[in-house]
Amino acid sequence: SAVISQKPSRDICQRGTSLTIQCQVDSQVTMMFWYRQQPGQSLTLIATANQGSEATYESGFVIDKFPISRPNLTFSTLTVSNMSPEDSSIYLCSVVVDAEKLFFGSGTQLSVL
Amino acid sequence: GQQVMQIPQYQHVQEGEDFTTYCNSSTTLSNIQWYKQRPGGHPVFLIQLVKSGEVKKQKRLTFQFGEAKKNSSLHITATQTTDVGTYFCAGPTWSGTYKYIFGTGTRLKVLA
Repeated sequence: SAVISQKPSRDICQRGTSLTIQCQVDSQVTMMFWYRQQPGQSLTLIATANQGSEATYESGFVIDKFPISRPNLTFSTLTVSNMSPEDSSIYLCSVVVDAEKLFFGSGTQLSVL
Repeated sequence: GQQVMQIPQYQHVQEGEDFTTYCNSSTTLSNIQWYKQRPGGHPVFLIQLVKSGEVKKQKRLTFQFGEAKKNSSLHITATQTTDVGTYFCAGPTWSGTYKYIFGTGTRLKVLA
């Protein structure tokens, strides 16, 4: 298993500003992902955070809007840039451990006014 | 692209009744996983099925992987209020990068 610390747990932000979410894992992991979950919806993959290289983004998500850093195998950040109310959502980091099992951080609930 | 659909979207049951959710993938899966998300919580891994036709049980929960490895089901016997939450199936996929696609989810409410 893995213990994942995700910060902040929630935030209320003004439109046009940016928020950086941090994800810290208690062990080295190869694969780390960032998901978005809108209210009452399923999880949508934003990107795969690659250690030492640019993240791999899914269709509909771009680096300018969601820059991701992954400086080492235990830490990653996701920034939501130039926020609008449509960015209000829960953002989740997840890692793969124990033969393809996904473990999730506790999530960041973002509200944009 | 690959899609993973679940039915039903919502299910309300009386405590003690059984519950089943079905998961269907547009493509063959190497394995399928099930996750539970309690209200206000994050998804938590329940189980992984790998073999065609595999059936696994966890107490009152029974998981099945279809013969064609494109569908799966989760059955809960005699639901309890602690079963409340949203159940997601998820499957790994490779399209230039390895990633997990989540099903649409089934939200279960249990009425005491």
